[in-house]
Amino acid sequence: QQPVQSPQAVILREGEDAVINCSSSKALYSVHWYRQKHGEAPVFLMILLKGGEQKGHEKISASFNEKKQQSSLYLTASQLSYSGTYFCGTEGAGYSSASKIIFGSGTRLSIRP
Amino acid sequence: DAGVTQSPTHLIKTRGQQVTLRCSPKSGHDTVSWYQQALGQGPQFIFQYYEEEERQRGNFPDRFSGHQFPNYSSELNVNALLLGDSALYLCASSRRGYPYEQYFGPGTRLTVT
Repeated sequence: QQPVQSPQAVILREGEDAVINCSSSKALYSVHWYRQKHGEAPVFLMILLKGGEQKGHEKISASFNEKKQQSSLYLTASQLSYSGTYFCGTEGAGYSSASKIIFGSGTRLSIRP
Repeated sequence: DAGVTQSPTHLIKTRGQQVTLRCSPKSGHDTVSWYQQALGQGPQFIFQYYEEEERQRGNFPDRFSGHQFPNYSSELNVNALLLGDSALYLCASSRRGYPYEQYFGPGTRLTVT
């Protein structure tokens, strides 16, 4: 089941903040966040694990509500380099879902000077 | 430290033909996952290889098959190509265990005419 991301697109001025949401209908073990610039491969930003462990980017933070199967990515004081499409990927709880990451459709973020 | 590499970069094939794409994982990584990314969409999980065996599979037909070699590199084979197989094919590598960080290669752009 593909996670649902919102918003689909957002336009910011440099220095503004943004929140990108990711929601799943399944119980999750982990949530992964990636950024992809046009014509490039997705770049790993952060992983959030059930139980609270996080690992990732220094200037980008995220939350994971295990009970609601939701995650949010927080981009503060946005820079021009933050532009791109952000994808959340979810890994379901349970052996059959282990290591299988299902990606959402993405949120396109545009930063203007 | 070399990252994930993929070859070829671009490929044009005719309907009905077969194609083989190649991936070398990041140094120290032993798990390879393959994704198909259509234009404007998130990556879709095809399958994952670990210890030379397919461990997980997404909703793709048997025309999609793969292989992992003892040096952890991997191949994706697609038989009887359809126009709808045109996409960016991404390989991602990781190290078995958690946290499960995946690193993507630059991708192979496949065009089926």
